[in-house]
Amino acid sequence: AQRVTQPEKLLSVFKGAPVELKCNYSYSGSPELFWYVQYSRQRLQLLLRHISRESIKGFTADLNKGETSFHLKKPFAQEEDSAMYYCALSGEDSSYKLIFGSGTRLLVRP
Amino acid sequence: DSGVTQTPKHLITATGQRVTLRCSPRSGDLSVYWYQQSLDQGLQFLIQYYNGEERAKGNILERFSAQQFPDLHSELNLSSLELGDSALYFCASSEGRDPYEQYFGPGTRLTVT
Repeated sequence: AQRVTQPEKLLSVFKGAPVELKCNYSYSGSPELFWYVQYSRQRLQLLLRHISRESIKGFTADLNKGETSFHLKKPFAQEEDSAMYYCALSGEDSSYKLIFGSGTRLLVRP
Repeated sequence: DSGVTQTPKHLITATGQRVTLRCSPRSGDLSVYWYQQSLDQGLQFLIQYYNGEERAKGNILERFSAQQFPDLHSELNLSSLELGDSALYFCASSEGRDPYEQYFGPGTRLTVT
């Protein structure tokens, strides 16, 4: 079964500190993995997709198939990074529907 | 702005009632997805339509139904509403060329009293 686990409900760091938001997945095939960000209950915005290997707003995420993880990292957190972050998986069937983790709230303190 | 629009923004109704939520996808996108975001269940996939046809169903209750019209807009119908149906309902769309990238609308916040 497809499943996405985000073990931390809340991650609080100080401005300038490194950030790592954890995501583990369960999937039998080759998953497509994403990070979405949601500011103050607004629309979800795509932050990263694993195949693009881009760095968006300083965030990066590497797919580790051995550990079935897709952790989101940023070396120096900014206050404007405070938001809900959702890890999501897609791909087992032709629907491309997203399976979301429960989300982690990132709070960056000044 | 993702280009996906949803109406209304907010909806307050009573238990037992029926409501219709509307979604207009980005221009050219053929797929529409509906998701429910609630405090206890998190973000859950409800249903997907592709070019007017139902493609996939998730944890959608029998009291809920959806359709996609020839102009590709979609409606989610929720009936016999219960307090637990209070949630944020998101619509997302994607295009046929790259079906993995979904663009989300601003959501409709439904409050059932």
